[in-house]
Amino acid sequence: AQSVAQPEDQVNVAEGNPLTVKCTYSVSGNPYLFWYVQYPNRGLQFLLKYITGDNLVKGSYGFEAEFNKSQTSFHLKKPSALVSDSALYFCAVRDLTGGGNKLTFGTGTQLKVEL
Amino acid sequence: DTAVSQTPKYLVTQMGNDKSIKCEQNLGHDTMYWYKQDSKKFLKIMFSYNNKELIINETVPNRFSPKSPDKAHLNLHINSLELGDSAVYFCASSQDLPGSNQPQHFGDGTRLSIL
Repeated sequence: AQSVAQPEDQVNVAEGNPLTVKCTYSVSGNPYLFWYVQYPNRGLQFLLKYITGDNLVKGSYGFEAEFNKSQTSFHLKKPSALVSDSALYFCAVRDLTGGGNKLTFGTGTQLKVEL
Repeated sequence: DTAVSQTPKYLVTQMGNDKSIKCEQNLGHDTMYWYKQDSKKFLKIMFSYNNKELIINETVPNRFSPKSPDKAHLNLHINSLELGDSAVYFCASSQDLPGSNQPQHFGDGTRLSIL
């Protein structure tokens, strides 16, 4: 089965500093990886995805993610964090087993950006 | 215009009751999903429909019955509600063209509380 792991429950960073939210994956076959963000009392919003091609993927709101096959990682990054980036971030992998198309999510990482 | 809308936003009810949650998407997508997010924010797929046909049915109690009257709607009916059903239920949709890996779009969730 496909799975992703987010080793950090919470990440704290000062505004203006770079941020990294970690994700590692375990898949059979090619990985299709996604990052979503969830603000309080809202649904998940798509940030970016890796399907194939360049290992550095650029997404919404200045976020990017680096796909690393040897380390089976897909870490989310942003060069300069904003207080408004504070939210819950989910890494996900597309799982086609069983004939369906579903997302298997990590456990989420709460990002807190402070002044 | 809201892309994926769920009603109601909040649902508070007694144990043993039967309730329904409605979902509609105006994106023209052919696939819709129900996810459950528990109190620890863990997200798990429940069901997926493609063009009104059930394609994913995870290990969900048969008290939960999805119904898709057309490809723009996917409703969730829950019989004999139990305390453990308290959670946030998210509807999502995507366009599942072969090999496209399109992201899923989420509604803002229905917060179900069982008294």
